[in-house]
Amino acid sequence: ELKVEQNPLFLSMQEGKNYTIYCNYSTTSDRLYWYRQDPGKSLESLFVLLSNGAVKQEGRLMASLDTKARLSTLHITAAVHDLSATYFCAVDVDTDKLIFGTGTRLQVFP
Amino acid sequence: GAVVSQHPSRVICKSGTSVKIECRSLDFQATTMFWYRQFPKQSLMLMATSNEGSKATYEQGVEKDKFLINHASLTLSTLTVTSAHPEDSSFYICSASRSHGNQPQHFGDGTRLSIL
Repeated sequence: ELKVEQNPLFLSMQEGKNYTIYCNYSTTSDRLYWYRQDPGKSLESLFVLLSNGAVKQEGRLMASLDTKARLSTLHITAAVHDLSATYFCAVDVDTDKLIFGTGTRLQVFP
Repeated sequence: GAVVSQHPSRVICKSGTSVKIECRSLDFQATTMFWYRQFPKQSLMLMATSNEGSKATYEQGVEKDKFLINHASLTLSTLTVTSAHPEDSSFYICSASRSHGNQPQHFGDGTRLSIL
């Protein structure tokens, strides 16, 4: 059974701190996506990772992909309150068919 | 602006009613669209792949007769929840991709379905 697991499921962190969210998956794939979801809203695309070793950065967020380890990370640098949301990784298992991770709910407090 | 439009955004109806949700790609053709379901504070679960001009492909455990999918054109897929019951209450989201495999999928704004 295909599993996409995120760790941690819930993260409460202070503004200005750094932290990493992990996404482990159990099938072979070289395409992985990160999305953000605000409460009651749909998904916003953050990163597209298309190959082993891919690293993308946007603002305070940086994502990486290790296809051999079947692991992706989302690193948060100097967190701010606006980053509070739920973050999902999603693995492409068959040309655009995505299996989502369990989600990480992030709360950033002053 | 939005590239995938989903309608309606919110539906509240009585048990036994059938509800149709539309998903449109606004400025591109989508031969494939996807339908997801999300319960509160949970992840998105893929329900089915909507294929233009052919039958949808359903994921294991998803009832075909309960969730009817029609993809009659390259820009429109519909999901009909037939004879809805309270346990069907959920957030339904569709998605489509401009370029297979190389770009992120674009998601609709979602439809919150509440069955009384």
